[in-house]
Amino acid sequence: DSGVTQTPKHLITATGQRVTLRCSPRSGDLSVYWYQQSLDQGLQFLIQYYNGEERAKGNILERFSAQQFPDLHSELNLSSLELGDSALYFCASSGGQGGRGDTEAFFGQGTRLTVV
Amino acid sequence: AQSVAQPEDQVNVAEGNPLTVKCTYSVSGNPYLFWYVQYPNRGLQFLLKYITGDNLVKGSYGFEAEFNKSQTSFHLKKPSALVSDSALYFCAVRTWGANNLFFGTGTRLTVIP
Repeated sequence: DSGVTQTPKHLITATGQRVTLRCSPRSGDLSVYWYQQSLDQGLQFLIQYYNGEERAKGNILERFSAQQFPDLHSELNLSSLELGDSALYFCASSGGQGGRGDTEAFFGQGTRLTVV
Repeated sequence: AQSVAQPEDQVNVAEGNPLTVKCTYSVSGNPYLFWYVQYPNRGLQFLLKYITGDNLVKGSYGFEAEFNKSQTSFHLKKPSALVSDSALYFCAVRTWGANNLFFGTGTRLTVIP
């Protein structure tokens, strides 16, 4: 158990809908990362938050947004969903100060999103 | 720019034989290198990391990795493969001051009984 909790584990929704994925980081970790894993794209970095502030942005679509709350949990919002958004969405957390590179990230079990 | 390459999509090895999963990287500055393993329907699990010091890094489940600066490589190794090692392996890199972990595309390891 990595200590990172993601809910829900599975989500099935229709095209055009909006969903929210939730992540609770390991106790004490200030950084939260979101990744998308699909069969043909590998593991794609979406966005990172550190202590409530956005720190890095990857290949995140404008239809997607995220935030990190004062209690450090994070939510990834996906809207106007398309079939191609079906994927595994992972949250990871790491400790230490934002910007340090030597701390490993710990991953949650992921949310499998299926858009039908 | 940072990038990681895992040149082999698939590696097959017989149980009991040594295994190697390859990774090369490209960064400006000193790299921090990581290996993760993913079992079916599970999240990524951290195996080991290289930050500085000894080029041979030992990690979980008997895995080790060798950092080679001149070849910009960080290959994952294990002296004797187990069937239970069959999984998807990811190499990742980050540099000091960078927030993001860049992942390779993954290598599927199959250990044949």
